[in-house]
Amino acid sequence: AQSVTQPDIHITVSEGASLELRCNYSYGATPYLFWYVQSPGQGLQLLLKYFSGDTLVQGIKGFEAEFKRSQSSFNLRKPSVHWSDAAEYFCASTGGGNKLTFGTGTQLKVEL
Amino acid sequence: SQTIHQWPATLVQPVGSPLSLECTVEGTSNPNLYWYRQAAGRGLQLLFYSVGIGQISSEVPQNLSASRPQDRQFILSSKKLLLSDSGFYLCAWIGNTGELFFGEGSRLTVL
Repeated sequence: AQSVTQPDIHITVSEGASLELRCNYSYGATPYLFWYVQSPGQGLQLLLKYFSGDTLVQGIKGFEAEFKRSQSSFNLRKPSVHWSDAAEYFCASTGGGNKLTFGTGTQLKVEL
Repeated sequence: SQTIHQWPATLVQPVGSPLSLECTVEGTSNPNLYWYRQAAGRGLQLLFYSVGIGQISSEVPQNLSASRPQDRQFILSSKKLLLSDSGFYLCAWIGNTGELFFGEGSRLTVL
């Protein structure tokens, strides 16, 4: 069965520092991969997505993610974190079907 | 453009009472629609999805049911709520390239 793992439940970074959120997927073929962000009490907003082609994808709000097939990973990065980036981040994947599988999320805290 | 709305945004219900959460999508026809539940520290759990009117697939056995009475309407229901039904419920539709677009969510607290 398809699964998505986000090994870090909580991460704290200082404002201006770089950020990397980890995501590993389990799927036989190349999945479609997504990163979403959720502010408290809100729905989820799509940050970026990967289907094929260039393995480094750019998203909104200065985020990027890199697909690494050899590591079954799709880590989210940002070179310089802003206090407004504090939120919960979800990685998700689908095998091209109609159902997304989500990771359990990583809560990001930004220290000023 | 497509929009998705959920209501109510917040709901506090006693154990054993019924539930009805509504989701409406505008600006797209025959969307695939989804209900997810988000419990603290447990990520998003897919509850139901629907590919069309009257077509409902259930992902996990539970105390909830779903209905699709109209193309753009997706309803989550329960006849008798349990404490464990508390959570944040999210409705979503799937775009042409596989990404989900979410509503604002409905916070349910069962006391």
